Amino acid sequence: DGGITQSPKYLFRKEGQNVTLSCEQNLNHDAMYWYRQDPGQGLRLIYYSQIVNDFQKGDIAEGYSVSREKKESFPLTVTSAQKNPTAFYLCASSIDHRTNSNEQFFGPGTRLTVL
Amino acid sequence: AQKVTQAQTEISVVEKEDVTLDCVYETRDTTYYLFWYKQPPSGELVFLIRRNSFDEQNEISGRYSWNFQKSTSSFNFTITASQVVDSAVYFCALITLINYGGSQGNLIFGKGTKLSVKP
Repeated sequence: DGGITQSPKYLFRKEGQNVTLSCEQNLNHDAMYWYRQDPGQGLRLIYYSQIVNDFQKGDIAEGYSVSREKKESFPLTVTSAQKNPTAFYLCASSIDHRTNSNEQFFGPGTRLTVL
Repeated sequence: AQKVTQAQTEISVVEKEDVTLDCVYETRDTTYYLFWYKQPPSGELVFLIRRNSFDEQNEISGRYSWNFQKSTSSFNFTITASQVVDSAVYFCALITLINYGGSQGNLIFGKGTKLSVKP
């Protein structure tokens, strides 16, 4: 089945620790995205990548880092510099970022809780 | 500025009622795309519809219909004869083609409307 997988579904982290969230897609999409969702809020863009080995900051990139070494993978690291990391994180992909009308397909999300 | 406003935070209806979810957007661009996504309790966002700014025809898909009005910058979503399975958070979103501070091609989401359909 084609789709986007995120792991783990639930993640707990102690303050001061870095943690990496996985996102994999087998849709052969060029573009991938990371969003953060807080209760009662819409989704806010953290980082996006239009193509392998390239990525751009979104609206709330501070305290996060990404890599795009392979087309199908776009891991997100939440660093200790992120002051309020507890949130629901959603990964998405689309065929081509330059064709703006393309819909984005979303993964099931990872819920991160900082203890 | 670009913005999407979903003024209804939560709506509760009884099964078989019709319900309309409002979406108002702001953009300076003349070419843009509007989307609706559904987020069930499982968390994954499900794409429902995409509409470009040049197509003001209303669309119907089964029990779902969308009313796009450029004059009022609105893109409202109606569910007819609601069902319990319609219970979810619904997001309206906007993509524009002009680069406002790097936001070109990025989805701008409203805060969502939580719909509860009771049996």
